[in-house]
Amino acid sequence: DADVTQTPRNRITKTGKRIMLECSQTKGHDRMYWYRQDPGLGLQLIYYSFDVKDINKGEISDGYSVSRQAQAKFSLSLESAIPNQTALYFCATTTESGEQFFGPGTRLTVL
Amino acid sequence: QKEVEQNSGPLSVPEGAIASLNCTYSDRVSQSFFWYRQYSGKSPELIMSIYSNGDKEDGRFTAQLNKASQYVSLLIRDSQPSDSATYLCAARSGGYQKVTFGTGTKLQVIP
Repeated sequence: DADVTQTPRNRITKTGKRIMLECSQTKGHDRMYWYRQDPGLGLQLIYYSFDVKDINKGEISDGYSVSRQAQAKFSLSLESAIPNQTALYFCATTTESGEQFFGPGTRLTVL
Repeated sequence: QKEVEQNSGPLSVPEGAIASLNCTYSDRVSQSFFWYRQYSGKSPELIMSIYSNGDKEDGRFTAQLNKASQYVSLLIRDSQPSDSATYLCAARSGGYQKVTFGTGTKLQVIP
């Protein structure tokens, strides 16, 4: 079984809808991250969490919110989706030394 | 100036040749460096990490770090068509566990 899982894998939604992307991990890491990837722009950090009570904004947090329900679960919400949030979203966990392990990604399309 | 810079490529090499991928970083306090491989539509996969100046070898891969020049490289020996992917360079700074990614270099190995 995969160490980092994401649901859904693909999602098509309409402008203004609220959606949630979920991430679960079995690696036992405290640190979890959400990134989005757009062609030519690389990975951009949305939010990161060092533990259940420690959540931090990344470089592009506007329009997004997160919830760390447990050590193993970190969810990303788009409160009111807009077309420029169409992207590939990745969840990742991190070791103490900074090595990151990514989930399979969620391809989100906002119409 | 981007914090981590890579040539976007594509870098084309014949099968069996050595592929050389390069990366520069701007934050002098960066301590840890990583190379990830990403196939089209898939998630990044960690292939090498390096923390001190010099070379680190793992199978066909060698990572090289020069902190004085703020330069990281990845050599792939005996390149195979299955190595064709985008390679992401990443740097971690300080104690925040924030990892900054470059936009990646696309490698094409020609049979």
